[in-house]
Amino acid sequence: AQKITQTQPGMFVQEKEAVTLDCTYDTSDPSYGLFWYKQPSSGEMIFLIYQGSYDQQNATEGRYSLNFQKARKSANLVISASQLGDSAMYFCAMRELNDYKLSFGAGTTVTVRA
Amino acid sequence: DADVTQTPRNRITKTGKRIMLECSQTKGHDRMYWYRQDPGLGLRLIYYSFDVKDINKGEISDGYSVSRQAQAKFSLSLESAIPNQTALYFCATGGLAGPQFFGPGTRLTVL
Repeated sequence: AQKITQTQPGMFVQEKEAVTLDCTYDTSDPSYGLFWYKQPSSGEMIFLIYQGSYDQQNATEGRYSLNFQKARKSANLVISASQLGDSAMYFCAMRELNDYKLSFGAGTTVTVRA
Repeated sequence: DADVTQTPRNRITKTGKRIMLECSQTKGHDRMYWYRQDPGLGLRLIYYSFDVKDINKGEISDGYSVSRQAQAKFSLSLESAIPNQTALYFCATGGLAGPQFFGPGTRLTVL
């Protein structure tokens, strides 16, 4: 069964504006971690932000924040003040505490327009 | 210097050839992973290792083998490469919890 769903294949955003990337997940394990990764056209996978299932507050890292809605099983990434360098593919991922691997969504391509 | 390195970064080979992809990490993690990425399919786990003596198959291990030479080194081999193994290969490392950190990837083309 699909554990991570990203419903937006591609998005355009104007430079300096904010963009929200959707991610929903499915698990029955109460202990899990949620992650977002950025993959620019050069191909590397860059870790952006992490949210633990027991964290009370939404995670933030610079211009990245994770809007964690546990009851809805939603972990949306918000990128504020978009820059041209934010153009990339973004992947949502989850790891259950007792699992060994990350489960990835299909990704969302973000294109930032000047 | 990068925390997770992979060699080679790009490789073109022919069907039937043996290929080895190498990974080294300086993050001190015990756990290491090999993933492959195909367009539209996201990342899928090939093999993982929790320490030098612990190696496990992932989702798509057929046609691949691995060797954990040391805590910091984890190599992936394709014994007899075939065209559908053309993909982007990632090595990753991580701890018991928290994120996995990925190497820069190896683009492998099998003709």
